[in-house]
Amino acid sequence: KQEVTQIPAALSVPEGENLVLNCSFTDSAIYNLQWFRQDPGKGLTSLLLIQSSQREQTSGRLNASLDKSSGRSTLYIAASQPGDSATYLCAVEETSGSRLTFGEGTQLTVNP
Amino acid sequence: ETGVTQSPTHLIKTRGQQVTLRCSSQSGHNTVSWYQQALGQGPQFIFQYYREEENGRGNFPPRFSGLQFPNYSSELNVNALELDDSALYLCASSFGGRRNIQYFGAGTRLSVL
Repeated sequence: KQEVTQIPAALSVPEGENLVLNCSFTDSAIYNLQWFRQDPGKGLTSLLLIQSSQREQTSGRLNASLDKSSGRSTLYIAASQPGDSATYLCAVEETSGSRLTFGEGTQLTVNP
Repeated sequence: ETGVTQSPTHLIKTRGQQVTLRCSSQSGHNTVSWYQQALGQGPQFIFQYYREEENGRGNFPPRFSGLQFPNYSSELNVNALELDDSALYLCASSFGGRRNIQYFGAGTRLSVL
């Protein structure tokens, strides 16, 4: 059974700091890995999707990497801003099915 | 804005009642997935519908059922509500059964008293 773990569970940083969020998964038979952002009480916003054949994806200040063989992904946020405060979730889509399996998220607070 | 709309936004029910949640897919999408997110947890996969057929199911009891209509909108039905069913219910639409980005709606917050 696929398990996805995110570390740390919570993170508080001052504005302007660069930071890294970590995601690990137990079964490397995946189609892709996706990073989402969730604001309190809201739905999920897709940030980046990395196909299993790719090593990284970039969008603005965000960069996500994928090492499928070791079951790890990182989300790098450059020059963090208070508006980046949210919960960040990673999810994998397995080759054995159509579901996304999510981690429990990292709650990020960026202080002005 | 993802183009995926869910209704209602909030709902309060009592234990034992039945509830229907609705999801309208993004234009051109033929796949809808439903997820349950308890407070402080990541979303859990309930089931997926692709071209009106169930295309995978998570570890949820049969009292969780669904439908997908010819216009690819979808319903999630939950019978015999339990207190633990209180959660945010999310639907996501995509094109094709797998390997494509799933776009999420804002969710329906269900409270069971």
